[in-house]
Amino acid sequence: GAVVSQHPSWVICKSGTSVKIECRSLDFQATTMFWYRQFPKQSLMLMATSNEGSKATYEQGVEKDKFLINHASLTLSTLTVTSAHPEDSSFYICSARDGTSWNEQFFGPGTRLTVL
Amino acid sequence: AQSVTQLGSHVSVSEGALVLLRCNYSSSVPPYLFWYVQYPNQGLQLLLKYTTGATLVKGINGFEAEFKKSETSFHLTKPSAHMSDAAEYFCAVGGSGSARQLTFGSGTQLTVLP
Repeated sequence: GAVVSQHPSWVICKSGTSVKIECRSLDFQATTMFWYRQFPKQSLMLMATSNEGSKATYEQGVEKDKFLINHASLTLSTLTVTSAHPEDSSFYICSARDGTSWNEQFFGPGTRLTVL
Repeated sequence: AQSVTQLGSHVSVSEGALVLLRCNYSSSVPPYLFWYVQYPNQGLQLLLKYTTGATLVKGINGFEAEFKKSETSFHLTKPSAHMSDAAEYFCAVGGSGSARQLTFGSGTQLTVLP
């Protein structure tokens, strides 16, 4: 139980294009989903928190117009990196809470984004 | 505000030796504490968690951790290291806000020597 998937697992795109990453909770309803960014050999940095049906809450320093987050259903959240640039290359990880497990988050396998 | 400090960004042990990964936390409210493991190019897998109750928590793969409030610590241990334990380990403390965010430590890379 409590499986979270991400798609795609890796993506390479040209500078200036937009990339959408999907995060799905496969066997539970995710009331809250989180998006993290991880640079090589570093910890996870929380980018934003999204609740189903409402606007995402972005962490300080994260450009909400660049990293568009949509949590349209209880099983799906998407992160769109708009007008991607090489500095956006990173490992993006989502996680989800089911609203019953206090504080526990279930993590997706991550998406490796490389912007050329 | 909450924070997590993991002492030692790299730890090396011999196969069969004791594994000890250190984690200290700061929290203004009773903490919820977690240890996650991450293998290369993968997401995070929960090893164990402390919420309330028994302070010695047992997790998967033979790992355990003890919550020590007086020391604000939640160190991760395993009696005998296995080669497959080589990975990155993250300690995290649960948030008290409505979103229940997690604050992660900087991580400890565990190397297991044959």
